[in-house]
Amino acid sequence: AQSVTQPDIHITVSEGASLELRCNYSYGATPYLFWYVQSPGQGLQLLLKYFSGDTLVQGIKGFEAEFKRSQSSFNLRKPSVHWSDAAEYFCAVNTNAGKSTFGDGTTLTVKP
Amino acid sequence: DAGITQSPRHKVTETGTPVTLRCHQTENHRYMYWYRQDPGHGLRLIHYSYGVKDTDKGEVSDGYSVSRSKTEDFLLTLESATSSQTSVYFCAISEGGAQVANEKLFFGSGTQLSVL
Repeated sequence: AQSVTQPDIHITVSEGASLELRCNYSYGATPYLFWYVQSPGQGLQLLLKYFSGDTLVQGIKGFEAEFKRSQSSFNLRKPSVHWSDAAEYFCAVNTNAGKSTFGDGTTLTVKP
Repeated sequence: DAGITQSPRHKVTETGTPVTLRCHQTENHRYMYWYRQDPGHGLRLIHYSYGVKDTDKGEVSDGYSVSRSKTEDFLLTLESATSSQTSVYFCAISEGGAQVANEKLFFGSGTQLSVL
């Protein structure tokens, strides 16, 4: 069965600083990987996804993620964080049947 | 925003009572999902549907049933609610095409359910 681990429950960064959120996955076949963001009281919104090709993928709001098969990782990055990026971030892996397994999430706090 | 409506948005009920949550979509997407979100557990799949009358279990399906009689509606029923089912419930949809694994989920705004 597939699984996703987000090692950091909570991360605090200063506005303007760089950000990296970690995601490790376990899946026996080619992974289909996603990052979602959730603002308080809202559903999840897709930031970016990877399924093949270039291992560095660009998403919305200036986010990017790099797929590293050798490390089973799909870390999310942003060069300069804005206060509006404060939210909870979820990494997910999809099976061929279209079922998504989510990590437990990382809460991002942005200091002024 | 994808046309997904969850109802009710909030519900408080008592242990042992039946509860039905509704998800309605206007996107004509094939796949629909019910997730629950609990602190420290991320989102866990309860049940999903890959077409009218076609449903399957997720990882936390015990105590829940679903029905999909129309493309646009996916109902989640707690036959006899328990306090452990207090949670935020999210409905999600995806197009479900040939590359279903590559397709993103669109989420509703959630239903906060409290079982006392």
